[in-house]
Amino acid sequence: DQQVKQNSPSLSVQEGRISILNCDYTNSMFDYFLWYKKYPAEGPTFLISISSIKDKNEDGRFTVFLNKSAKHLSLHIVPSQPGDSAVYFCAASAQAGTALIFGKGTTLSVSS
Amino acid sequence: EAGVTQFPSHSVIEKGQTVTLRCDPISGHDNLYWYRRVMGKEIKFLLHFVKESKQDESGMPNNRFLAERTGGTYSTLKVQPAELEDSGVYFCASSHVLHSYEQYFGPGTRLTVT
Repeated sequence: DQQVKQNSPSLSVQEGRISILNCDYTNSMFDYFLWYKKYPAEGPTFLISISSIKDKNEDGRFTVFLNKSAKHLSLHIVPSQPGDSAVYFCAASAQAGTALIFGKGTTLSVSS
Repeated sequence: EAGVTQFPSHSVIEKGQTVTLRCDPISGHDNLYWYRRVMGKEIKFLLHFVKESKQDESGMPNNRFLAERTGGTYSTLKVQPAELEDSGVYFCASSHVLHSYEQYFGPGTRLTVT
């Protein structure tokens, strides 16, 4: 049973607009959440993370929001750029240093 | 600083053959992880080393998979004998200290078993 779910396989956005990628989780023991970006033929690259004690973390154009009561997090990219086109994975961890549990990924396409 | 490296980048073998994948973590990273992604599905955890010791191997699919990390530096993942369902991309990741959540991934090895 999937503990981390990304229900949208793909998302298309125009350059300059906001991209919102969603992620849901089922395990209430998760205390840290991460977003990774992956280009074809490359490994996942760490993008941004959030601890369960926070509800928002911002880094430049990227903001992650966490709603613990809904077991939901989202990644906002503003403004979106063509170079943001990639697969975005949501991941969660229950303890530092242990395995990351990944969602299936969302393919973001940003058109110019 | 060099990132995580993996070799080979791609391997094509026949069912029943043996393949060994190698991972060199970022220098100084005690934690080393193996993951696998099969056919567009989620990236799944296989096992975790702390230095040369296996900390968690709960994700290893069966005893055809053997991972080692001699001397706590590079790691190898051997599949023997390979089956068709072993095809996928094998990622290695590393992190600096036991209490670090962020893991840094290599480019992966694409394994195709025919």
